[in-house]
Amino acid sequence: DAKTTQPTSMDCAEGRAANLPCNHSTISGNEYVYWYRQIHSQGPQYIIHGLKNNETNEMASLIITEDRKSSTLILPHATLRDTAVYYCIVRGRYGGSQGNLIFGKGTKLSVKP
Amino acid sequence: DTGVSQDPRHKITKRGQNVTFRCDPISEHNRLYWYRQTLGQGPEFLTYFQNEAQLEKSRLLSDRFSAERPKGSFSTLEIQRTEQGDSAMYLCASSTGDSPLHFGNGTRLTVT
Repeated sequence: DAKTTQPTSMDCAEGRAANLPCNHSTISGNEYVYWYRQIHSQGPQYIIHGLKNNETNEMASLIITEDRKSSTLILPHATLRDTAVYYCIVRGRYGGSQGNLIFGKGTKLSVKP
Repeated sequence: DTGVSQDPRHKITKRGQNVTFRCDPISEHNRLYWYRQTLGQGPEFLTYFQNEAQLEKSRLLSDRFSAERPKGSFSTLEIQRTEQGDSAMYLCASSTGDSPLHFGNGTRLTVT
């Protein structure tokens, strides 16, 4: 079963920041937080991941709380092409079966003009 | 494009027929994963390989499902005696060790 809780849906105005929350209160010390997104009719696309420090790449920023029980994915300037389902996933650090991604239902983000 | 490739993109079959899907991972990736996704749900893990060894198959949905990766490169997923409930998107992903998974765009199966 998925170890994360996300809102079912969110709206965001084009050009504004999209902040997608995720709760993972049972995360253990050897588990990463991963974010993927899935645009309609495509496979999931990797966005970013982190262990305990905040991370930033060309797509997004990931803010993880100090207790690691929740995180927020930030898309700084959302565009219409960012409309997708966003999945927050807890993934084991040391591979094997714990390295498999277990998806929940994600958050449907709708970016509106 | 050197991403994960899946073939075919769409498959329509009649109930009771066998189907086979192919996945070509990113060339240097040693791990290969199969997922299934039904409408409105997130992808559901089925099985994975490290090189040619199938390390996890307990989540395959029934004994009608089987997967192979004979030379540690491409993989096939076979469903025997298809049922209408098998209609779904079948996704393949690959990775190097514990790196992020890269997904293909899937094979959409429709069982009539």
